Amino acid sequence: ILNVEQSPQSLHVQEGDSTNFTCSFPSSNFYALHWYRWETAKSPEALFVMTLNGDEKKKGRISATLNTKEGYSYLYIKGSQPEDSATYLCAPEETSGSRLTFGEGTQLTVNP
Amino acid sequence: GAVVSQHPSWVICKSGTSVKIECRSLDFQATTMFWYRQFPKQSLMLMATSNEGSKATYEQGVEKDKFLINHASLTLSTLTVTSAHPEDSSFYICSANPPAGQGVADTQYFGPGTRLTVL
Repeated sequence: ILNVEQSPQSLHVQEGDSTNFTCSFPSSNFYALHWYRWETAKSPEALFVMTLNGDEKKKGRISATLNTKEGYSYLYIKGSQPEDSATYLCAPEETSGSRLTFGEGTQLTVNP
Repeated sequence: GAVVSQHPSWVICKSGTSVKIECRSLDFQATTMFWYRQFPKQSLMLMATSNEGSKATYEQGVEKDKFLINHASLTLSTLTVTSAHPEDSSFYICSANPPAGQGVADTQYFGPGTRLTVL
């Protein structure tokens, strides 16, 4: 079982603040890194799938970077809004179509 | 898009009874579906990989006779918790990969999950 660590565990920010979280994973046997946003009572929503070292992806105010050599990914949210409040999960994938190993997530609360 | 549904969203049962949870891919066919479990304050843990038309592959430590998986069609997988006990109380969630050209490539799409409480 892969050791996937996410930090911080929880985060409270004010509306308009920018924030970032970290996902650490083993750098060996790497195929892809997934980021999900999980709002309460909803299905986890796929944000990004990244495969290449140095990848940077963006979706609106949210972006992510990937370093496969050192085994980490950052997720950035610019100008946080209350609707960004959710748990953000990362999950590395060792081979295509294989299991995802999830971290415990970062719970973000954005106060208006 | 690629939508996955689950039913029921929550269930409360007595100890010793069996509970069936359904996972459906609504707009795509899924030869493989995944079942995860999440205990409070823990991460999503893969329980088993459900394969259409063949036996499921269980993760280490997951009892296949207790957690019966049936993937009888390309749009439906069921997880049956047999003789449920309070320690089986958890959040169960399924996912599936849509075929190439639908949804985001290499992405698992999740259902909303089922909260099981065993009294």
